[in-house]
Amino acid sequence: DGGITQSPKYLFRKEGQNVTLSCEQNLNHDAMYWYRQDPGQGLRLIYYSQIVNDFQKGDIAEGYSVSREKKESFPLTVTSAQKNPTAFYLCASSESENTEAFFGQGTRLTVV
Amino acid sequence: GQQVMQIPQYQHVQEGEDFTTYCNSSTTLSNIQWYKQRPGGHPVFLIQLVKSGEVKKQKRLTFQFGEAKKNSSLHITATQTTDVGTYFCAALPISNFGNEKLTFGTGTRLTIIP
Repeated sequence: DGGITQSPKYLFRKEGQNVTLSCEQNLNHDAMYWYRQDPGQGLRLIYYSQIVNDFQKGDIAEGYSVSREKKESFPLTVTSAQKNPTAFYLCASSESENTEAFFGQGTRLTVV
Repeated sequence: GQQVMQIPQYQHVQEGEDFTTYCNSSTTLSNIQWYKQRPGGHPVFLIQLVKSGEVKKQKRLTFQFGEAKKNSSLHITATQTTDVGTYFCAALPISNFGNEKLTFGTGTRLTIIP
């Protein structure tokens, strides 16, 4: 079954701890993205990668880090420097910026 | 940077009524995409518009791209309870450098009164 998988679906962490969200795709897409969604709001771009071993900051990259060592994987680390990390995180992939994006199921992160 | 505004933010309609959401960009676009996110779900691609003045239909949904390629609309005829969700536009600006990225609008949340 082709698709994009995010894990876990729900994640709880204590304040001050780093946490890594997983995103894997088997669609052979070059481009991958991480978005943050807060209640009642749109999607804000955190980081994106257009090719392996390369990535760029999005609109709200502060307090986050990513890596793209493999084409199929684009993990996101929410660091302790992120002041308000509780949110719904969505990973997506596409063949390019010009084509439709496929989204994972999302990870709901709660920091207590 | 590019700004993408969607209106209205919320829309409550009686089942059977029509619904329209509008998307406006501050810059000229290469293309625009529309997505639907059901409550508790993730965004799902609906359609992409590329040409100036383009109109596309999917059953009860009609999508339009403005002549100036700066705005777009999604119209749903005779809404049904299955139409509930948030509708997002996603805009890709024209670029000479090939480094532009998709920007999502703020979304319009549609609720249906049975």
